[in-house]
Amino acid sequence: DIVMTQTPLSSPVTLGQPASISCRSSQSLVHSNGNTYLSWLHQRPGQPPRLLIYKTSDRLSGVPDRFSGSGAGTDFTLKISRVEAEDVGVYYCMQATQFPLTFGGGTKVEIK
Amino acid sequence: EVLLMESGGGLVQPGGSLRLSCAASGFTFSRDAMSWVRQAPGKGLEWVSAISISGDATYYTDSVKGRFTISRDNFKNTLYLQMNSLRAEDTAVYYCAREPGTSAFDMWGQGTKVTVSS
Repeated sequence: DIVMTQTPLSSPVTLGQPASISCRSSQSLVHSNGNTYLSWLHQRPGQPPRLLIYKTSDRLSGVPDRFSGSGAGTDFTLKISRVEAEDVGVYYCMQATQFPLTFGGGTKVEIK
Repeated sequence: EVLLMESGGGLVQPGGSLRLSCAASGFTFSRDAMSWVRQAPGKGLEWVSAISISGDATYYTDSVKGRFTISRDNFKNTLYLQMNSLRAEDTAVYYCAREPGTSAFDMWGQGTKVTVSS
């Protein structure tokens, strides 16, 4: 199974400042078709997760452009250019290159 | 409105069974692969099972193989998860999620809670 490791576990941020979350996979996420199936989700307390980014860097329609994804191979990053109050919660990376699909352990973003 | 709504959760004794349902509306259910993802209390997300558009291909995480069965009825726009031989470690909120060919879950239900306890 592909193990997804996120850092940091927790990220206190100041409103209006940038935030960055790292996700590393135990093996390359490049699929045999050339695509890299790494996505990022955000979950607020008591709510289901919400997709932000798919295929490493494609932003889902309706997701604010302050969210961006990057990376390749085994190393990936989610960046929030300017954190807003509604961005608090837990962020998860997920790989769908290979079954079983696996999630990172989550990164909690909170306001300082 | 595009919607996924889970039902069927509840309290069950170890060794018991439950059948979860996920009713889809507002989109063409028969065009999308679907999955079940669970979240134990205070824990992260765990993918459980996936099913192809037609239902002829199914996938499971190792811990539920042989105990859980995913299925779908494209005429009823409904996804199912039959859960047998339930264990305490199956206690979680179970979400259904849509995968529209992007290999990412772009829509989630609100979840249904399953508690396995004597």
